[in-house]
Amino acid sequence: DAGVIQSPRHEVTEMGQEVTLRCKPISGHDYLFWYRQTMMRGLELLIYFNNNVPIDDSGMPEDRFSAKMPNASFSTLKIQPSEPRDSAVYFCASSSGLRQFFGPGTRLTVL
Amino acid sequence: DAKTTQPPSMDCAEGRAANLPCNHSTISGNEYVYWYRQIHSQGPQYIIHGLKNNETNEMASLIITEDRKSSTLILPHATLRDTAVYYCIVRATAGGGGNKLTFGTGTQLKVEL
Repeated sequence: DAGVIQSPRHEVTEMGQEVTLRCKPISGHDYLFWYRQTMMRGLELLIYFNNNVPIDDSGMPEDRFSAKMPNASFSTLKIQPSEPRDSAVYFCASSSGLRQFFGPGTRLTVL
Repeated sequence: DAKTTQPPSMDCAEGRAANLPCNHSTISGNEYVYWYRQIHSQGPQYIIHGLKNNETNEMASLIITEDRKSSTLILPHATLRDTAVYYCIVRATAGGGGNKLTFGTGTQLKVEL
């Protein structure tokens, strides 16, 4: 298996633009997580899904952030409009049990 | 979830054992201890987990004290590639949170020649 796949790996955009991050979980996994990592706040959970249904979005910072999982093999995290403080590395992880498998992350820079 | 306390940094000589401590004095009976690590610029990687018995796998050993209030992750023969931030996480296996993980600040392990 190729592991968790994220795209793009790097994204540079200007303030006010819409940003969409993509994630393909490991086949057969029924949990999908989105995390954000910054120097100031460390690694924090934004939202997670179980069987494509959002279970807990309490970590989503504000309404500018939204996440979807239309099917078991694809999820998106969208920021609209983006702001410089959204600059971070965004990780997607998937799980079918006790272990979580993380993707390589998307490094987002908002100018 | 129980709170964990780890030293912010540790050094280890290559080839020697690295012993990373973690305190979790408020751990509940149904909570597991997980260890993940994050090598610079990569996603976190699962290492090992345990409930109350000591555990060993191809990567590391996990020693949990009898009262379960602390644990130690042991990398038996550390290499330069083990340089990473190591996170100790306590999490129940069931409940509404699934296997949601809360990462603290971890321990920055530096393995040197």
